[in-house]
Amino acid sequence: KQEVTQIPAALSVPEGENLVLNCSFTDSAIYNLQWFRQDPGKGLTSLLLIQSSQREQTSGRLNASLDKSSGRSTLYIAASQPGDSATYLCAVFNNAGNMLTFGGGTRLMVKP
Amino acid sequence: DTAVSQTPKYLVTQMGNDKSIKCEQNLGHDTMYWYKQDSKKFLKIMFSYNNKELIINETVPNRFSPKSPDKAHLNLHINSLELGDSAVYFCASSQAFEATEAFFGQGTRLTVV
Repeated sequence: KQEVTQIPAALSVPEGENLVLNCSFTDSAIYNLQWFRQDPGKGLTSLLLIQSSQREQTSGRLNASLDKSSGRSTLYIAASQPGDSATYLCAVFNNAGNMLTFGGGTRLMVKP
Repeated sequence: DTAVSQTPKYLVTQMGNDKSIKCEQNLGHDTMYWYKQDSKKFLKIMFSYNNKELIINETVPNRFSPKSPDKAHLNLHINSLELGDSAVYFCASSQAFEATEAFFGQGTRLTVV
């Protein structure tokens, strides 16, 4: 059964720092990996989707990498801003399971 | 134009009642899901429907019954509500077998009192 772990669970940084959020998964038989952002009391906003054949995806200040063989992904946020404060969720779409399995999230606070 | 919409956004009800949450997607996706987010914010799959057929039922009590009248709709009916059912319920959709991006609704916060 797929398990997804995100480290750290919480992170507080000063504005302007570059930061890395980590995601690991136990079963490498995945179709894709998706990073989401969730603001308090809100829904999930898709940030980046990496297909299993891809190594990375970029959108603005965000860069996500995928190493399927080692079961790891990282989300790199450049020049963090207070508006980046949110919970970041990693989810993998399994080959066999026809569903997304989520990690527990990283709660990010960027201080002005 | 909202891609995945859920109604209602908030639902407060007494124990023992029956309630429904509706979900609609206008993305043309063939697969829809219900996820539950508990008090610790962990998201867990409840159901997955592909082309109106149930694909996944993840050890959810049979008080929860999903219904998919067509590919664009997946409703969740809950009978005999219990305090432990209080959570945020998210509907989502994707083109599953092509493994496209999944889109989520804004969630329904269910509070059972």
